[in-house]
Amino acid sequence: GNSVTQMEGPVTLSEEAFLTINCTYTATGYPSLFWYVQYPGEGLQLLLKATKADDKGSNKGFEATYRKETTSFHLEKGSVQVSDSAVYFCALSDGEAGTALIFGKGTTLSVSS
Amino acid sequence: ETGVTQTPRHLVMGMTNKKSLKCEQHLGHNAMYWYKQSAKKPLELMFVYSLEERVENNSVPSRFSPECPNSSHLFLHLHTLQPEDSALYLCASSQGGSSYGYTFGSGTRLTVV
Repeated sequence: GNSVTQMEGPVTLSEEAFLTINCTYTATGYPSLFWYVQYPGEGLQLLLKATKADDKGSNKGFEATYRKETTSFHLEKGSVQVSDSAVYFCALSDGEAGTALIFGKGTTLSVSS
Repeated sequence: ETGVTQTPRHLVMGMTNKKSLKCEQHLGHNAMYWYKQSAKKPLELMFVYSLEERVENNSVPSRFSPECPNSSHLFLHLHTLQPEDSALYLCASSQGGSSYGYTFGSGTRLTVV
């Protein structure tokens, strides 16, 4: 079946450091891929998405490229800020009506000044 | 304001109580979801409604009872819960299949005493 694997962390960085959070997936067909972010005490917010191979999703300085050959969708940011501290979830959708997103376990990012 | 509103934000209930969680969306979406998020555990899909019909029920105990009276509202009725049911309950909605991603509410923090 479809699945998502992401590094669990926690990831601890200093402000302005480079961030990579790895995400790989297993899926039949051509899923859509997502990154969600959850700030403390809140629900999940869509950060970025990509719907086909070689697409790059980007938002708020974060980027991720849909790599079909390596079945990966790694999240990157060139210079993190304290306000980026949150839990990040990688997810996939097979697109079938009525089916739910499949989430990874989440990666906690902590950025210190 | 995310477009998906959950009430109440916090709920404390005894094991013999009956309570309901409410979720409301005015995004024109036609699918709605309940997730459970417990500390140090992955997101757990509980129920999926598509076009107001339940299409998925992930072996959730009968003490959780969902209701979707129309495409804009989703309820989770709770009765005789256990302390291990304490968690953040998240509602989400999507348009059609999940390939467009979800919009999440902020969640209801439930504590069972």
